[in-house]
Amino acid sequence: QVQLQQWGAGLLKPSETLSLTCAVYGASFSGYYWSWIRQSPGKGLEYIGEITHRGSTNYNPSLKSRVAISLDTSKKQFSLKLRSVTAADTAVYYCAAFGELRNHWGQGTLVTVSS
Amino acid sequence: DVVMTQSPLSLPVTLGQPASISCRSSQSLVYSDGHTYLNWFHQRPGQSPRRLIYKVSNRDSGVPDRFSGSGSGTEFTLKISRVEAEDVGVYYCMQGTHWPLTFGGGTKVEIK
Repeated sequence: QVQLQQWGAGLLKPSETLSLTCAVYGASFSGYYWSWIRQSPGKGLEYIGEITHRGSTNYNPSLKSRVAISLDTSKKQFSLKLRSVTAADTAVYYCAAFGELRNHWGQGTLVTVSS
Repeated sequence: DVVMTQSPLSLPVTLGQPASISCRSSQSLVYSDGHTYLNWFHQRPGQSPRRLIYKVSNRDSGVPDRFSGSGSGTEFTLKISRVEAEDVGVYYCMQGTHWPLTFGGGTKVEIK
């Protein structure tokens, strides 16, 4: 059974760096796009970006200058870093894996940016 | 960015009755490889979303066959043949053809 378990700091101050990690259980990295998606009351669902098992990335242009997604196959984890956060980055962040016939999601992490 | 517009915003349904949600994109979702990357997601209250349908009409593993997707170009539909209690929540369409990938605003399905 495939499971994604995510963690990271839930409270940040403006200008800090958001850092979240997602551990993958029961799946290999090939055959999936490994993604980060966030959800806020004001903006709904927003696709942040993705990484393939070969390390190729795609980012939302609105976040591209601040975001980085990386993969550590030895630890079976992938990570999200978002620099210089503001209150507008307050949201629930999800890691997810999308493949043919299947998709898997983390439990979500509420990240609040407040001074 | 491609704008995804869903209707209705809210959909009260009777158990056992059919339901239909529409999704319209501001640009054609046909990709250069010939595929149309239109997905449907369901999010129950307090849970993570999960994808039900990908590439317009392909059900993900474990998705009941009462869910079906159809459409082409810029107009798409998700249908539930007979609504069950576990189908409540918010449904989102999402296009995977143009970057950035974008979601619709959601349709809330509730039982009458």
